[in-house]
Amino acid sequence: GAGVSQTPSNKVTEKGKYVELRCDPISGHTALYWYRQSLGQGPEFLIYFQGTGAADDSGLPNDRFFAVRPEGSVSTLKIQRTERGDSAVYLCASSAPPYNEQFFGPGTRLTVL
Amino acid sequence: GNSVTQMEGPVTLSEEAFLTINCTYTATGYPSLFWYVQYPGEGLQLLLKATKADDKGSNKGFEATYRKETTSFHLEKGSVQVSDSAVYFCAPCWKTGGFKTIFGAGTRLFVKA
Repeated sequence: GAGVSQTPSNKVTEKGKYVELRCDPISGHTALYWYRQSLGQGPEFLIYFQGTGAADDSGLPNDRFFAVRPEGSVSTLKIQRTERGDSAVYLCASSAPPYNEQFFGPGTRLTVL
Repeated sequence: GNSVTQMEGPVTLSEEAFLTINCTYTATGYPSLFWYVQYPGEGLQLLLKATKADDKGSNKGFEATYRKETTSFHLEKGSVQVSDSAVYFCAPCWKTGGFKTIFGAGTRLFVKA
């Protein structure tokens, strides 16, 4: 079956611009996670959705970052006024009960010039 | 707060050598424990897991045992292959506000023929 997909695979933008990153989870997975992975580091938790609601957004670094999942399936991570420090690979994962395993997408590599 | 520490890399071994990658965590409560692997040019994938004390996870010749008394989950393989070259992440997962996973910084393994 289809895995987690993320689009675009690469995004280059200029400082100050707005970007949207999309995640398509595995069908039927109710839990969805966003992570950010900087070079040479492990993934860093950003936000977790259970259904349509953000159950834990404690990892979002500041109010420039926002994520939605309006119908409980596809999710969009939105970054306003991008900064060079936002450059990283943004990973999405989804999970189903008993939520003991997360399935990761290939990531979106964001480069802010 | 909860945290995870894993052995720094890179680790360079010859084929058929024994591998150990150490992982310890600090925790309130008892997380589920995971090792994820990232092969060159590929996304993160689950390698093995253990969900309670003394459980042993195993896959592809890799093993790790959930040690509650030492809060550790060391990854081992008796005889590594060139194809095992990858980055390995230890990742405890706590059921607090939704199965939050904290990833270690990753250990890069190079296996020489």
